[in-house]
Amino acid sequence: QSVLTQPPSASGSPGQRVTISCSGSSPNIGSYTVNWYQQFPGMAPKLLMYSDDQRPSGVPDRVSGSKSGTSASLAISGLQSEDEADYYCAAWDASLNGWVFGGGTKLTVL
Amino acid sequence: QVQLVESGGGVVQPGTSLRLSCAASGFTFSDYGIHWVRQAPGKGLEWVAVISSDGNNKYYGDSLKGRFTISRDNSRNTLYLQMNSLRTDDTALYYCARAGGTSAYYGIDYWGQGTLVSVSS
Repeated sequence: QSVLTQPPSASGSPGQRVTISCSGSSPNIGSYTVNWYQQFPGMAPKLLMYSDDQRPSGVPDRVSGSKSGTSASLAISGLQSEDEADYYCAAWDASLNGWVFGGGTKLTVL
Repeated sequence: QVQLVESGGGVVQPGTSLRLSCAASGFTFSDYGIHWVRQAPGKGLEWVAVISSDGNNKYYGDSLKGRFTISRDNSRNTLYLQMNSLRTDDTALYYCARAGGTSAYYGIDYWGQGTLVSVSS
């Protein structure tokens, strides 16, 4: 069971907006910033969002991140078939003295 | 460009040891912390360990403390993971990944392609 909780799956039709949540607690998301990673089957993960809401270069602006209290969210608007992948959140946890990942969310584009 | 190339994986028996290596290039290795992350077949990402840029600070995942040791050689631009008393549930793809800064508190910004460790009798 992961310290950060994500829904196992999410879906949307092309062009729609989908949101993936990441729920934590005070020692992790409540105190530290959140990163998001995208992983395609058979590939290494890739940084998608850092410091809650900052996009690395090359990530389109239809992808956005936010955080409120002990929860974070990743939103993808204008959904495209190439967005179909697994998504993971991660944060430092002060009580565990280490990094924690969410269990991952499989995004399906219908 | 940032490159991280893991090696040292293989098939080993339970109770044995294995040392993974990660060769870094394309950036100033001694300026960055480095993580190990693993992924069991068909499962999610599990953070393993992180080491600060100077090697003085190391942190480990709860389930791994005492069996795994992370280290680095900045003169060789190489990261290591010594894994002892391996168990079948250590079977996974092990990724080396760069932190976004010097300390262990920076999250991952670049990932290697991983090396596969299979623990089986």
